[in-house]
Amino acid sequence: SQQGEEDPQALSIQEGENATMNCSYKTSINNLQWYRQNSGRGLVHLILIRSNEREKHSGRLRVTLDTSKKSSSLLITASRAADTASYFCATDEKGTALIFGKGTTLSVSS
Amino acid sequence: DGGITQSPKYLFRKEGQNVTLSCEQNLNHDAMYWYRQDPGQGLRLIYYSQIVNDFQKGDIAEGYSVSREKKESFPLTVTSAQKNPTAFYLCASSTRREGVHTGELFFGEGSRLTVL
Repeated sequence: SQQGEEDPQALSIQEGENATMNCSYKTSINNLQWYRQNSGRGLVHLILIRSNEREKHSGRLRVTLDTSKKSSSLLITASRAADTASYFCATDEKGTALIFGKGTTLSVSS
Repeated sequence: DGGITQSPKYLFRKEGQNVTLSCEQNLNHDAMYWYRQDPGQGLRLIYYSQIVNDFQKGDIAEGYSVSREKKESFPLTVTSAQKNPTAFYLCASSTRREGVHTGELFFGEGSRLTVL
């Protein structure tokens, strides 16, 4: 079952611009997480936001969560070429393993 | 350094053969997971284990088997019953906190299996 679904599927921007990715999910959650994957590598955890939180920051990352709309967004400010990667949201289905979306592929050109 | 080690990184298999992918962690994590990744499909859960000697099927367990005899190890066997095994396989682990065992996942670097 696919819980989180990211939008857009692909995003191309210039260095210095902001990148926004969205994630929608279907059922109630304890937390929502965002991960990054460089091509051919494993995933790396970026940030976790709990269901009772609305916004969280980590460096150039800003994550919001709207449980009424069952959606989250990841904002990367002042993007760099090194931010080029795929980004995935993941949600927990109340006590089971994380379910991942299909991801957003971000391309940042210099 | 603490982390998760997957091996081999690349593996080629003939049709009809079983293969086993290794996953070892030294993070002292209770929970371990196997995901499969295909282009455009994201990650799909194969099996997960919350504790030694116990594991549960994920969404696409058919054609796969696992064991959890040690806390550090969670090998995945891709059997000949798996119809389309060519994929990128990712192992992950996490801690268990107050029964909510889906905190941050730590991933290995993956194993790419190709069936010839």
